[in-house]
Amino acid sequence: GNSVTQMEGPVTLSEEAFLTINCTYTATGYPSLFWYVQYPGEGLQLLLKATKADDKGSNKGFEATYRKETTSFHLEKGSVQVSDSAVYFCALLNTNAGKSTFGDGTTLTVKP
Amino acid sequence: GAGVSQSPSNKVTEKGKDVELRCDPISGHTALYWYRQSLGQGLEFLIYFQGNSAPDKSGLPSDRFSAERTGGSVSTLTIQRTQQEDSAVYLCASSSTIVGNEQFFGPGTRLTVL
Repeated sequence: GNSVTQMEGPVTLSEEAFLTINCTYTATGYPSLFWYVQYPGEGLQLLLKATKADDKGSNKGFEATYRKETTSFHLEKGSVQVSDSAVYFCALLNTNAGKSTFGDGTTLTVKP
Repeated sequence: GAGVSQSPSNKVTEKGKDVELRCDPISGHTALYWYRQSLGQGLEFLIYFQGNSAPDKSGLPSDRFSAERTGGSVSTLTIQRTQQEDSAVYLCASSSTIVGNEQFFGPGTRLTVL
């Protein structure tokens, strides 16, 4: 079946540090890959996505590249801000299965 | 336009009582999902509706849980004979197709079973 494995948290960084949150997946076929973010007290929202191999999703300074050869979709940001503090979820959507599979989430705290 | 809405936002109930949680998806979205998020945990898939197809109920944790979607729009998640371990935030999401489209999440219903 499909599965998503995320880097365990929590992750604590200082402002302007480089961020990487690892995500690897197992799926049949060619899934679409997503990163969702949940800010404190808010609902989940899409951060970025990639629908095929070698695609790069980007938004708000975050990037992730769909790597089929390593079945990965790592989230990166060059310089984090306090406002980036949130829980980040990696997810895949397998068109054969219909429903999405989410990772367990990684809590990021950025300190000034 | 309006996003996904859920009601109630908070529900406190006594063990053994039944509860109904409502989800209004974005108009025109054919796919609707229910998830459960326990404190400090990830998202647990519960059930998935796509158009007029039979729902995927593979994530429902027990036969006390059921859901329906009327007219391809509003959905109700029912939990019978609630238990304390049912306490969680129940999230609903909808999407316009199942092919690579993002899910739009509602704010959730926080259920507390005393």
